[in-house]
Amino acid sequence: AQSVTQLDSQVPVFEEAPVELRCNYSSSVSVYLFWYVQYPNQGLQLLLKYLSGSTLVKGINGFEAEFNKSQTSFHLRKPSVHISDTAEYFCAVSARSGNTGKLIFGQGTTLQVKP
Amino acid sequence: NAGVTQTPKFQVLKTGQSMTLQCAQDMNHNSMYWYRQDPGMGLRLIYYSASEGTTDKGEVPNGYNVSRLNKREFSLRLESAAPSQTSVYFCASRGGQGAWSGEAFFGQGTRLTVV
Repeated sequence: AQSVTQLDSQVPVFEEAPVELRCNYSSSVSVYLFWYVQYPNQGLQLLLKYLSGSTLVKGINGFEAEFNKSQTSFHLRKPSVHISDTAEYFCAVSARSGNTGKLIFGQGTTLQVKP
Repeated sequence: NAGVTQTPKFQVLKTGQSMTLQCAQDMNHNSMYWYRQDPGMGLRLIYYSASEGTTDKGEVPNGYNVSRLNKREFSLRLESAAPSQTSVYFCASRGGQGAWSGEAFFGQGTRLTVV
């Protein structure tokens, strides 16, 4: 079974400052990892995903994430945030093998960008 | 393309009433999912269908039933609504069987209130 823990429920940050949103996962098998963003009153959309290869993954809107297998982490970073990045961010995990297709999300982190 | 379409967008039920949430996707995806989103709890998987003809319980299945009507449609039924089922419900679909690296596409959500 897979599980995801997002370590911060809210992250306040000033505009143009860097930010890191933390995600740890647990799984007995190899996994795929995802970050999604949800803007107010909308559904979720994909920011980036880790499948294999380079542990540093680049996504949309200047976000990137680093996969760390030994620490079972997949933290999301942005070097300089904008007001428009204010949203809720979700980390998710899916097993690589098997036929279940289960996709599990974390509790979410609200990023509040202040002017 | 419409993507993932959920109906209705809003619903108010009295305790004990039943209702069905409808979801349809036009991306020829094999897998479909129902989640509920509650403040501080993130997205929790209710049921999913890895392929047409199969359904499986997720993290919080109690009080719900699902039907994978065909490849396009996946409905969620509340037989006897309870106030604890007040939530925002999201339907999602993704990839093909065995393609668990795929991006999930989400509907716009159904805001359900049980009084």
